[in-house]
Amino acid sequence: AQTVTQSQPEMSVQEAETVTLSCTYDTSESNYYLFWYKQPPSRQMILVIRQEAYKQQNATENRFSVNFQKAAKSFSLKISDSQLGDTAMYFCALSKTSYDKVIFGPGTSLSVIP
Amino acid sequence: EPEVTQTPSHQVTQMGQEVILRCVPISNHLYFYWYRQILGQKVEFLVSFYNNEISEKSEIFDDQFSVERPDGSNFTLKIRSTKLEDSAMYFCASTDWTGGRGKLFFGSGTQLSVL
Repeated sequence: AQTVTQSQPEMSVQEAETVTLSCTYDTSESNYYLFWYKQPPSRQMILVIRQEAYKQQNATENRFSVNFQKAAKSFSLKISDSQLGDTAMYFCALSKTSYDKVIFGPGTSLSVIP
Repeated sequence: EPEVTQTPSHQVTQMGQEVILRCVPISNHLYFYWYRQILGQKVEFLVSFYNNEISEKSEIFDDQFSVERPDGSNFTLKIRSTKLEDSAMYFCASTDWTGGRGKLFFGSGTQLSVL
């Protein structure tokens, strides 16, 4: 069975600072996909970043980057230069293939403080 | 960017009533999904649908639930006899799987309230 764990229910960061959200997962697959989704108060699910497990290089998307440690089954999200619009629930997620079901973690509520 | 469209955005129903939640996936997508999120909890997988049949379903997706793609564009989730615990946000999603680079697109959700 695949599981995703996020150990930080809530976090806060000052505007313009950097914050890292933690995620660990478990899977028996050798290749898989990892995601971070953002859910603002509107409750829309927005893909922030994705990582394919067979790729060594950590994914980056503008101010968002990941630290993917395959052996440790760890997938953390770093947000640089935090903005007020980054305030949201962040979900770490996992799927076996790009079209398989996505398993979500419990989420981390991030507040960006002006 | 293309969008997955869900209607209605809010649905209120009485316990025991049937509801149908509607979704229009992105037109060239082949894989369709329903997820739900009870307020304050994580997003849970309900069912996946490919080639006009269910490809996988979760334990939540019992006999009270069904999905259908009645025409070439709509994808519906029916709950036959709603229970209080069915109150949740229901998300439809679709993807095209472009050789492993496919992106899962979520709709904006239908908030179902069962009274």
